[in-house]
Amino acid sequence: GAVVSQHPSWVICKSGTSVKIECRSLDFQATTMFWYRQFPKQSLMLMATSNEGSKATYEQGVEKDKFLINHASLTLSTLTVTSAHPEDSSFYICSAKGWLDEQYFGPGTRLTVT
Amino acid sequence: QQQVKQSPQSLIVQKGGISIINCAYENTAFDYFPWYQQFPGKGPALLIAIRPDVSEKKEGRFTISFNKSAKQFSLHIMDSQPGDSATYFCAASLKTGANNLFFGTGTRLTVIP
Repeated sequence: GAVVSQHPSWVICKSGTSVKIECRSLDFQATTMFWYRQFPKQSLMLMATSNEGSKATYEQGVEKDKFLINHASLTLSTLTVTSAHPEDSSFYICSAKGWLDEQYFGPGTRLTVT
Repeated sequence: QQQVKQSPQSLIVQKGGISIINCAYENTAFDYFPWYQQFPGKGPALLIAIRPDVSEKKEGRFTISFNKSAKQFSLHIMDSQPGDSATYFCAASLKTGANNLFFGTGTRLTVIP
């Protein structure tokens, strides 16, 4: 299957700072990228959908000013958690979809806000 | 409102046995049904997927059975192995729009030696 990478794999930051997470599709062009959040032992919660070159579409209840998403190219999307707080601590996972149905996930980023 | 309902929540199977996980949906506009496998601390990995025009798809030890009239689909893992111990998620997506996935709640599978 196709490969999606995420960086960093884990990050610890102080409350009030911002953190940027990168998601890259390594061997295919991603027309759409998705960002999810996952709490322990729970399912994936879709945060936003982004298409290359256009603004992201956020799910209800997700603060777009707090979770900034940029899909600058067909292989790169970034999620910036601004002014992070301890309640933002979570496992963030991106996925990428090309022209076909298959959606491939990155390995995830564990964010801990102290 | 959970668009895709998954059961059981957890499953324990003996090595060599068959693991069966079930999912049900309501929205008849769904037209793509993948299954994902997730190990702790990792992202989900696409296992196998099916479209509504076929009733069964098999890849190695993994089989999806699809019942369009009942709006149900299931994952069968034959000859289950301890290495299959993971959380499995079913999902569904629509024909149109962003094609984002609607996930089930997950099934934690444990295969005991």
